[in-house]
Amino acid sequence: NAGVTQTPKFQVLKTGQSMTLQCAQDMNHEYMSWYRQDPGMGLRLIHYSVGAGITDQGEVPNGYNVSRSTTEDFPLRLLSAAPSQTSVYFCASSRTGTGYSPLHFGNGTRLTVT
Amino acid sequence: TQLLEQSPQFLSIQEGENLTVYCNSSSVFSSLQWYRQEPGEGPVLLVTVVTGGEVKKLKRLTFQFGDARKDSSLHITAAQPGDTGLYLCADPGSNSGYALNFGKGTSLLVTP
Repeated sequence: NAGVTQTPKFQVLKTGQSMTLQCAQDMNHEYMSWYRQDPGMGLRLIHYSVGAGITDQGEVPNGYNVSRSTTEDFPLRLLSAAPSQTSVYFCASSRTGTGYSPLHFGNGTRLTVT
Repeated sequence: TQLLEQSPQFLSIQEGENLTVYCNSSSVFSSLQWYRQEPGEGPVLLVTVVTGGEVKKLKRLTFQFGDARKDSSLHITAAQPGDTGLYLCADPGSNSGYALNFGKGTSLLVTP
């Protein structure tokens, strides 16, 4: 079972460049989300989606865009990368999105912005 | 956003020792999840607790949910190097579960 697949695993960008972090899940989960993890800050929610065509902002959405055209895919776009976006990014999915349903995480994308 | 406080922040112990880590909040949890994150990987769910006073066991790991549902603990008996990782607690927050709220975690190192 693939679960949640994130690509790429590592990425280095220069300030001002744009890129898309890919996320795909094969569990037919309705709920998908993006988190960033920084030392001493824990996991912070960037954007989430409760189904195809529906997205909403999380705690730290500035500088990021998302779309959900299919149930399987939930890409995260950095429009103009900044050093403050250096982080580890995790995509997650769950069946219902409530606290009773486990989040399934990918293995992360480690992004460095110079 | 409900603030989840985890303690200790870091813990380094030797194989065979017992340990307890804590997750606390000033507000009542509707439910609480515990995750373990190994280096280079994403978090993996260990357990969900829902009822005040609930105790759940997962092999050498014992999870307790406080009677008032404001705190939870994770106790590991006879720790092994494979228990090394970041232990995170998370709750649904106030957004009907669409914004799972994580604590900052306890980083555990178990040395042989």
